[in-house]
Amino acid sequence: IQMTQSPSSLSASVGDRVTITCRASQAIRNDLGWYQQKPGEAPKLLIYAASSLQSGVPSRFSGSGSGTDFTLTINSLQPEDFATYYCLQDYNYPPTFGPGTRVEF
Amino acid sequence: EVRLVESGGGLVQPGGTLRLSCDTSGFIFSTYSMNWIRQAPGKGLEWISHIGSRGTTTYYADSVLGRFSISRDNAKNSLFLQMDSLRVEDTAVYFCARLDINGLQYWGHGTLVSVSS
Repeated sequence: IQMTQSPSSLSASVGDRVTITCRASQAIRNDLGWYQQKPGEAPKLLIYAASSLQSGVPSRFSGSGSGTDFTLTINSLQPEDFATYYCLQDYNYPPTFGPGTRVEF
Repeated sequence: EVRLVESGGGLVQPGGTLRLSCDTSGFIFSTYSMNWIRQAPGKGLEWISHIGSRGTTTYYADSVLGRFSISRDNAKNSLFLQMDSLRVEDTAVYFCARLDINGLQYWGHGTLVSVSS
């Protein structure tokens, strides 16, 4: 299963609402997670099962979608949110990541 | 506290071998599936291998199938990745990650593998 993300990068400001889209090459139900990665760090799980917020993750992060089209939304972007975001399908093996979306100033 | 610590990375020539380890603590290792994921310099994430909790089920990405072998020692709470016939394109940071019901919740800090002549 191929995963695509758009945009590949975006410029935003603190307080902005940011939306990132992930599309699967075939239907994957809601078997999708979103991960945040900062430079030099391991990825961090934000959203699982397409729309469930991982424990400890701020509520400004939300996910939606099912089937082939998914969205990660960050409401009121904070300075610590500037990072790269990846979607990951775990509907079947091999699990596949999207190419990433870099959120920058 | 859940901890995953990778080791074993380094510089190796094309065609060479390396064995990565992931030492874990803070959870019952024998009850979790584990994964290896890598990230080439400046590139995205690539899942490469999975092993079930008992070590009897394994999966590999096509890019490493037949060259890499995942294993685990539940008595020592450790995960391994044997990497043979290494190629320049295997150069990456290699992460181990615990597979929870929610996804890959816990990750190590990664270990760098450089394949170059």
